Amino acid sequence: DTGVSQDPRHKITKRGQNVTFRCDPISEHNRLYWYRQTLGQGPEFLTYFQNEAQLEKSRLLSDRFSAERPKGSFSTLEIQRTEQGDSAMYLCASSSTGRPSYEQYFGPGTRLTVT
Amino acid sequence: AQSVTQLDSHVSVSEGTPVLLRCNYSSSYSPSLFWYVQHPNKGLQLLLKYTSAATLVKGINGFEAEFKKSETSFHLTKPSAHMSDAAEYFCVVSGDSSYKLIFGSGTRLLVRP
Repeated sequence: DTGVSQDPRHKITKRGQNVTFRCDPISEHNRLYWYRQTLGQGPEFLTYFQNEAQLEKSRLLSDRFSAERPKGSFSTLEIQRTEQGDSAMYLCASSSTGRPSYEQYFGPGTRLTVT
Repeated sequence: AQSVTQLDSHVSVSEGTPVLLRCNYSSSYSPSLFWYVQHPNKGLQLLLKYTSAATLVKGINGFEAEFKKSETSFHLTKPSAHMSDAAEYFCVVSGDSSYKLIFGSGTRLLVRP
C-alpha cells in the first residue's frame, strides 16, 4: 500500500491558462473522489468515480472543470480558462466498495495558485 | 441534506490538559461520522469513525468521540494534550449512497507548552 499520490504538488498558473492534475489511488480501490479546499475552510466534494464511471458531480464543478478516469485507475482533473477564484488545494481520495467503503484515504493534494 | 457544524474555530489548551472539540451534525440518513486531522503541509488523516456500532469510538493517538443521537453531537476528546496534537481537525458526515464526505469548517487546535 503506497497510498494516494497526486501530481504536481504545487502549480502556479496565469489566469486564462489550462491546468491538469493527476491522482493515483490506492491500487485496489475502485472509488475515487475529488475535493477542493480553500483557505480556512473544510474540503468540499467535487466529483467521484466508481471504476471508470463518473457517478456524481457537485454544482461546484462548473463547465470549465472536467474529470476523467479512463481505465478505472488514475484520474485527471482539468481546469480550463483558470480564474483567480480557482486558487485552492485540490484533494484526491480513494476507497473500496467493500466494507468499510466509507473510509476514504486522502492524497497530499495539489495546491493551485492562479495569478 | 447532511451537514456538520464545528462550534469552535480555534481551541487553545495547555500541554497535559484535556481537549474537547465540539461537533453537531444534521442528517436525514443514519449517519457515519468521522474526525480527520490535517497537520500543516500534510494530507488528511482519519482519526476515528462511527458507523452505528458502539457509540463511544476510540481512535488513534488517544482520541475518542461519543455519538449522542439525542443531542446530534459527535464531540472529540483527549484526556491529555500533547504538543504534536496541534493541527486542524475536521468533523465529517457521510451517509448517502455515494459515501461522499461532508466536512465541517474545521477547528484549529493550539497546544501551549
